[in-house]
Amino acid sequence: DTEVTQTPKHLVMGMTNKKSLKCEQHMGHRAMYWYKQKAKKPPELMFVYSYEKLSINESVPSRFSPECPNSSLLNLHLHALQPEDSALYLCASSQAQGSRDEQFFGPGTRLTVL
Amino acid sequence: GEDVEQSLFLSVREGDSSVINCTYTDSSSTYLYWYKQEPGAGLQLLTYIFSNMDMKQDQRLTVLLNKKDKHLSLRIADTQTGDSAIYFCAEKGAGGSYIPTFGRGTSLIVHP
Repeated sequence: DTEVTQTPKHLVMGMTNKKSLKCEQHMGHRAMYWYKQKAKKPPELMFVYSYEKLSINESVPSRFSPECPNSSLLNLHLHALQPEDSALYLCASSQAQGSRDEQFFGPGTRLTVL
Repeated sequence: GEDVEQSLFLSVREGDSSVINCTYTDSSSTYLYWYKQEPGAGLQLLTYIFSNMDMKQDQRLTVLLNKKDKHLSLRIADTQTGDSAIYFCAEKGAGGSYIPTFGRGTSLIVHP
């Protein structure tokens, strides 16, 4: 299994809603990432989990809350988002060892905040 | 910090070769990657090259690396309409960091 899966594929939420994005991989990777991508832009790193511990938080607002329940799963909990948070949210994973360590990306969740 | 630059657009005719260029500033780069992103999809790793190589070929794809000039290119032979996508160059430096730096992406448009 060389796939990263993400659910849901699309999500529309109001500014008062609470929702969660989910990501799963079964490649035995020990690093998992959340990226935010706006149209026609490169992905922007949000969070990195390494061996199930949060290792990087790129000064992301607290309305985004990551969680790594185990080595295969990564969640992103959303609360009180703003319309400017609308974007494609990408999850990725990698081995977290060795210098090559390429990232494998999921298909993304297209989030719209009304 | 590291910087990765790419031209924003490239338009080619079907059957021609496409060459997408990338420059980077980190002289300690170890691996350089090319990712493809189709509309509405995630990033797909196309190929990578280690910094001590100057060329890598994989079917229709040829990657050339000029380490002295910090210039990377991706050549797609016999470009097809299905190759239309955004292509991201990314580099990873030394020092054990596994976070790549992405370029802004080149939008490749293939005309029939």
